[in-house]
Amino acid sequence: AQSVAQPEDQVNVAEGNPLTVKCTYSVSGNPYLFWYVQYPNRGLQFLLKYITGDNLVKGSYGFEAEFNKSQTSFHLKKPSALVSDSALYFCAVRDWKGKSTFGDGTTLTVKP
Amino acid sequence: DTAVSQTPKYLVTQMGNDKSIKCEQNLGHDTMYWYKQDSKKFLKIMFSYNNKELIINETVPNRFSPKSPDKAHLNLHINSLELGDSAVYFCASSPAEGRTEAFFGQGTRLTVV
Repeated sequence: AQSVAQPEDQVNVAEGNPLTVKCTYSVSGNPYLFWYVQYPNRGLQFLLKYITGDNLVKGSYGFEAEFNKSQTSFHLKKPSALVSDSALYFCAVRDWKGKSTFGDGTTLTVKP
Repeated sequence: DTAVSQTPKYLVTQMGNDKSIKCEQNLGHDTMYWYKQDSKKFLKIMFSYNNKELIINETVPNRFSPKSPDKAHLNLHINSLELGDSAVYFCASSPAEGRTEAFFGQGTRLTVV
């Protein structure tokens, strides 16, 4: 069975500092990995994905993520955080049939 | 145009009632989903339909019954509502194969009193 772990419930960073939101996964076969963001009272919005190819993928709003096969990780990063990045972030793995499994989410708070 | 739309956005109802949540997507996707997000913000898949056929049915009480009249619509009917059903329910859609992200509706906040 596939699974996703986001080990941090909460990440706090100061505006302008780099941020990392961690994600590790377990899946049979090649992983399809995704990051989504959820702002208050909104649905999830897609940020970026890894399917194949370059281990560093770039996405919306300046976010990027690094796929590390040996560590089965897909950490979300941004070089310089903004207050407006404060939200709930979900990592997800999807199998070839289309079934997605989400992590428990990490609340990112960026302080001015 | 909203890609995935759910109605209603808010639903407050009494225990024991039956209610439905509707979902429509105009993206031409083959697959639609229902997710439940609880008070701790955990997100769990409930059902998945591909071209009107049920393909994922997680451990969900049989009081919950999805219905897909066509591939653009996936409705969720809940019988005999219980307090524990209070949550935010999200509809989503995606192309059938696994490489593509899902598009989510804005959610329906169900409160059972």
